Amino acid sequence: NAGVTQTPKFRVLKTGQSMTLLCAQDMNHEYMYWYRQDPGMGLRLIHYSVGEGTTAKGEVPDGYNVSRLKKQNFLLGLESAAPSQTSVYFCASTSGLAGGYTSSNEQFFGPGTRLTVL
Amino acid sequence: AQSVTQLGSHVSVSEGALVLLRCNYSSSVPPYLFWYVQYPNQGLQLLLKYTTGATLVKGINGFEAEFKKSETSFHLTKPSAHMSDAAEYFCAVIPLSGGYNKLIFGAGTRLAVHP
Repeated sequence: NAGVTQTPKFRVLKTGQSMTLLCAQDMNHEYMYWYRQDPGMGLRLIHYSVGEGTTAKGEVPDGYNVSRLKKQNFLLGLESAAPSQTSVYFCASTSGLAGGYTSSNEQFFGPGTRLTVL
Repeated sequence: AQSVTQLGSHVSVSEGALVLLRCNYSSSVPPYLFWYVQYPNQGLQLLLKYTTGATLVKGINGFEAEFKKSETSFHLTKPSAHMSDAAEYFCAVIPLSGGYNKLIFGAGTRLAVHP
């Protein structure tokens, strides 16, 4: 049981390059999330998904796209990277309630991807 | 909009001393409350959470937190710090409205423990 895994662990990009970050979970969770972590700002939600084929915007979605073609995978894409996207990116997952009602279920986090955009 | 405030971005204590990390939330309706810990170069791990019921919540590694509705606070404590407690700690909430278990994080408090 690997939990939540993220690929790659580190990446350096040049401004304007594109890349995709992969998140995978083996807990059969419905909900998945992408966060970015910046010093002094905690974690901020970029996008999230509440099921296969669904995605929604979070607090800081600009410059990112996501896809959830399979329940266990959640991809985060940067089409044209900018230095402001230098950050540590975390994926998380949790089980959800039918209808999207709020619960206190724990979110499980991956180990993170450290991205530098030059 | 809901917000979470952690007082003190850096806290330093001696080994064996009391650890107190402060967290306040902004809503009039108490949300679900969480404390997460992040060790260097790792992801976040749940320490404890408050949903309903007893206001003193015990978590892993000897940590506990007390929910005080009148103060809109959820401060984290540990009676005696260990060197291994050095990490960054995040307070987070899930508002009862809005759905989909979206977490809102505080800015984090980095705890240093010195001999």
